[in-house]
Amino acid sequence: DQQVKQNSPSLSVQEGRISILNCDYTNSMFDYFLWYKKYPAEGPTFLISISSIKDKNEDGRFTVFLNKSAKHLSLHIVPSQPGDSAVYFCAASRFSGNTPLVFGKGTRLSVIA
Amino acid sequence: KAGVTQTPRYLIKTRGQQVTLSCSPISGHRSVSWYQQTPGQGLQFLFEYFSETQRNKGNFPGRFSGRQFSNSRSEMNVSTLELGDSALYLCASSLEGSASTDTQYFGPGTRLTVL
Repeated sequence: DQQVKQNSPSLSVQEGRISILNCDYTNSMFDYFLWYKKYPAEGPTFLISISSIKDKNEDGRFTVFLNKSAKHLSLHIVPSQPGDSAVYFCAASRFSGNTPLVFGKGTRLSVIA
Repeated sequence: KAGVTQTPRYLIKTRGQQVTLSCSPISGHRSVSWYQQTPGQGLQFLFEYFSETQRNKGNFPGRFSGRQFSNSRSEMNVSTLELGDSALYLCASSLEGSASTDTQYFGPGTRLTVL
């Protein structure tokens, strides 16, 4: 039973346009969400996070939106750049305590110049 | 500051053998987590060690085990290897292991191939 789902295995976007990556979760206990980016031959790197008390968090070109009632979050990248081409993982956890991260399967983003 | 290092980077083993992977966390980090990444399943949590104690465990068989040393370095062991154990094994370290207050920093992973 997958608690964090990324239903799009891949996404292609033109350079300069918006990239929208989606993530759904099923466990109501999750109240902290993160996005990681992974390049080939490297480990994932933290990108941005959001707690359930917010519905939006921005960091430069990256914005994460959280819809708690729909148990859905999305990562927006504007404008998309070729260097953003990577696999993006959505992860969920509990805000307090030491609960492990639960990851989705990832979405491969290709930004075409 | 040096990042998380994992050794070896690549490993080829045959079914039935056992393997030990090593992870050196960022200096000062006391929490080390291990993940298995496969194309079909994404990143799956194996276990977390904090101050030499296993604090969390994922849903993997007992063939997967680990330990942490007093310097926070960690090893994971897989015994009686199966073909399905072929994967990228990722280690991540953080200060205290709290998702909301600590960032997890990942190593580059060990690519294990079981023939």
